[in-house]
Amino acid sequence: ILNVEQSPQSLHVQEGDSTNFTCSFPSSNFYALHWYRWETAKSPEALFVMTLNGDEKKKGRISATLNTKEGYSYLYIKGSQPEDSATYLCALLYNFNKFYFGSGTKLNVKP
Amino acid sequence: GAGVSQSPSNKVTEKGKDVELRCDPISGHTALYWYRQRLGQGLEFLIYFQGNSAPDKSGLPSDRFSAERTGESVSTLTIQRTQQEDSAVYLCASSLVGGTTYEQYFGPGTRLTVT
Repeated sequence: ILNVEQSPQSLHVQEGDSTNFTCSFPSSNFYALHWYRWETAKSPEALFVMTLNGDEKKKGRISATLNTKEGYSYLYIKGSQPEDSATYLCALLYNFNKFYFGSGTKLNVKP
Repeated sequence: GAGVSQSPSNKVTEKGKDVELRCDPISGHTALYWYRQRLGQGLEFLIYFQGNSAPDKSGLPSDRFSAERTGESVSTLTIQRTQQEDSAVYLCASSLVGGTTYEQYFGPGTRLTVT
């Protein structure tokens, strides 16, 4: 069993604050890291798929970086909005088919 | 276009009964995944299909769990003789191809409660 850790477990910020959270994983060969956003009463939605050391992805106010050598990925949200409130999941693909998910970071953005 | 659908959305069953959960992936997606999330825990990988073949069944929690897929279409997850620890949200996801750069599209899940 692979241990994918996400921190913090939960986060409360004010609208307009910028925030970031971490996904940590064993620093060994893997194929890809996925970030998903899971809003209450909805299905998880893909944010980013990252594959290379030093990979950086950006979508609007959300961006992510990947450091495979040190075994972590950061997700950043600039100027948080209430609609960003969700649980953010990271998932590692270590063999061709099997994904290992972290427990997620639950973000609450207060207006 | 149509996304991944799952049925039923909610299922309450008595301990010891069998249940069948259904997943309809996005048309054309060859890869299909089943996960579950028990209360307070993360998403747990159960099984992966490439086409109708499941190369790795090691994620299934016990021999009471089985899954099948018809061609590159519908999949069913069957739990026999349900136990209370089987209570969870069961999520299905599909992707174009099983591989590194293809994101997964998730269904809305089936909430299973075993009383």
